Amino acid sequence: DAEITQSPRHKITETGRQVTLACHQTWNHNNMFWYRQDLGHGLRLIHYSYGVQDTNKGEVSDGYSVSRSNTEDLPLTLESAASSQTSVYFCASSVGNEQFFGPGTRLTVL
Amino acid sequence: AQSVSQHNHHVILSEAASLELGCNYSYGGTVNLFWYVQYPGQHLQLLLKYFSGDPLVKGIKGFEAEFIKSKFSFNLRKPSVQWSDTAEYFCAVKDTDKLIFGTGTRLQVFP
Repeated sequence: DAEITQSPRHKITETGRQVTLACHQTWNHNNMFWYRQDLGHGLRLIHYSYGVQDTNKGEVSDGYSVSRSNTEDLPLTLESAASSQTSVYFCASSVGNEQFFGPGTRLTVL
Repeated sequence: AQSVSQHNHHVILSEAASLELGCNYSYGGTVNLFWYVQYPGQHLQLLLKYFSGDPLVKGIKGFEAEFIKSKFSFNLRKPSVQWSDTAEYFCAVKDTDKLIFGTGTRLQVFP
C-alpha cells in the first residue's frame, strides 16, 4: 500500500547541532508539506513543495530548510537546533484537496 | 490570509453525551473546509471535508459538520460520543494548496 513515512520517530539532540528529519511518500504526490505541532498552536506550516526543485516558506520557516531532489522525499533540516524547536513534526503530502499525514517525529533539543 | 478559530480548547464529556465543537474561518468566498482527528500517539486522520453542495457533511465514525456561510462556521457534531472518541480535533481551511489549522480541541470522554 502507498504510504508516507517519517524517520526517526524520536530524536534527542543538543543545541547548535544540525538535524535532518526524513519524509518519504510512495503515492507520487507532487505536493509535500512540513508542519510542527505545539500545544496551544495546533499545526503550523514550516515549508512546502509543489514539485521537484520547488520549495516555499511557510508560517514558521526561520531556522529550517528543505530540499526536493525527487518526488518521494522532502527532508527537513534544522541548521542549528534551538530549544524552541522542540516539537512534534509532521510531514504531509497531497493530491487534489486532501492531505495525508505521516506518523510524526518527536524532536527534543536539550 | 485565511485563519481558523477553534473556541473550545478542552472539552470533557460523559459517554452518550452530544458533542459540538466550534470552528470559524476568517473570510468568505469559496472555501474548502476540513476536520481532522488525532488519536493519542497517532497521526492526523481526515474525519470529513466540505467543498461545495450540501452544507451538512457526514464523515466517518458518526461525525457530521454543518457549513454555515453567513456565520463563517463549520462546526463538528456527534449525537452520542464514545470513550474511543477521546482525541484532539483540528479544523482546517484550504488556502491555495496549503491547509491552515486551528489550534485544536482536546476531547476527553469518560465512561
